[in-house]
Amino acid sequence: GAVVSQHPSWVICKSGTSVKIECRSLDFQATTMFWYRQFPKQSLMLMATSNEGSKATYEQGVEKDKFLINHASLTLSTLTVTSAHPEDSSFYICSARDRNRGLEAEAFFGQGTRLTVV
Amino acid sequence: SQQGEEDPQALSIQEGENATMNCSYKTSINNLQWYRQNSGRGLVHLILIRSNEREKHSGRLRVTLDTSKKSSSLLITASRAADTASYFCATDAYGYALNFGKGTSLLVTP
Repeated sequence: GAVVSQHPSWVICKSGTSVKIECRSLDFQATTMFWYRQFPKQSLMLMATSNEGSKATYEQGVEKDKFLINHASLTLSTLTVTSAHPEDSSFYICSARDRNRGLEAEAFFGQGTRLTVV
Repeated sequence: SQQGEEDPQALSIQEGENATMNCSYKTSINNLQWYRQNSGRGLVHLILIRSNEREKHSGRLRVTLDTSKKSSSLLITASRAADTASYFCATDAYGYALNFGKGTSLLVTP
């Protein structure tokens, strides 16, 4: 089956620094990628949707200048948490689907990245 | 935006018992999916049921969908300790992002 690889699986950084998380589709073209955030014992909240070659669409309440998303190729999307603060500590998960396969194309998930800001 | 609501939020049963989780949603969907998540880890896709289907089976899993009531249920039969995890329903509205419910935390004790 299709695989989405997310890296790193965990990261600890200092307040004020930036962290980049990568999401790669390994054997299909991810025309659309989604970034989710999950706080402990809570559900996945959609942060943004990105289509290859265009700007990401952010959900209400998500700061686009803080969470920079780049979807420069059909196999790679990156999420950069800029000037990270402890409240940004969370579990971030990417998802990818190939819209060229139609509306029922399955969404595949990365393994997630646990970010801890100290 | 999040639209799925699961109940119960937490469920504790003994091995061998059946576990039933329910999910309700608000808008039209193309399909509904169930996922499992072990503590602090990624999602495992369990089963997908399309809007024109009413019931689907996969191993010890049984999923029902009632589009008139906008609800779904997940039944895990003969539960095992390894089934301990959080379970989420996610609705798929025609190719866009999956919207996840709040999840049910299942604890299966030996």
